[in-house]
Amino acid sequence: RKEVEQDPGPFNVPEGATVAFNCTYSNSASQSFFWYRQDCRKEPKLLMSVYSSGNEDGRFTAQLNRASQYISLLIRDSKLSDSATYLCVVNYGQNFVFGPGTRLSVLP
Amino acid sequence: SQTIHQWPATLVQPVGSPLSLECTVEGTSNPNLYWYRQAAGRGLQLLFYSVGIGQISSEVPQNLSASRPQDRQFILSSKKLLLSDSGFYLCAWSEDSDQPQHFGDGTRLSIL
Repeated sequence: RKEVEQDPGPFNVPEGATVAFNCTYSNSASQSFFWYRQDCRKEPKLLMSVYSSGNEDGRFTAQLNRASQYISLLIRDSKLSDSATYLCVVNYGQNFVFGPGTRLSVLP
Repeated sequence: SQTIHQWPATLVQPVGSPLSLECTVEGTSNPNLYWYRQAAGRGLQLLFYSVGIGQISSEVPQNLSASRPQDRQFILSSKKLLLSDSGFYLCAWSEDSDQPQHFGDGTRLSIL
């Protein structure tokens, strides 16, 4: 089993839609969690950290379920500019493990 | 504020040639530094990380090496490139091992 798995995608959604991405991780010792976005042929950029209580940043909501070893990202009111690949990242010790990513295309 | 610089942006090299990619960080001291590779359409693969000057940990055995001659400088090298070394190379820094990583613009390396 891979350390970090994500929805395979791609997700093609119309503007204004709500879309949710799921991520599971295998190492129960994982300590911190993040969502990154990566535009085509660009570097990954931090979108948000994920806290145990769940956290929200504008149209983005991240949730963590340690018991199920599951992380989610919800995007409300999708914009064309949200089109990118979303990477789930799990950290334990010195290890920072990136998931394979889920590609999102927001269509006009 | 902190910035990370990585160069060159693109590089085309023949098989068997040497490689040197440089990464520098400004605005912070004693950062953790990382080198990743991303093959086309694939996820990020951690190659090396460093928690201090001269301290390098290798994640994947290969014909690449890394060095950290100064606190905020991280260099990725190879004596002889292989076709399989093609990819998108990314340098990143973080304040600590459990803090988010911040990436440079990346170097797109093509081996001919």
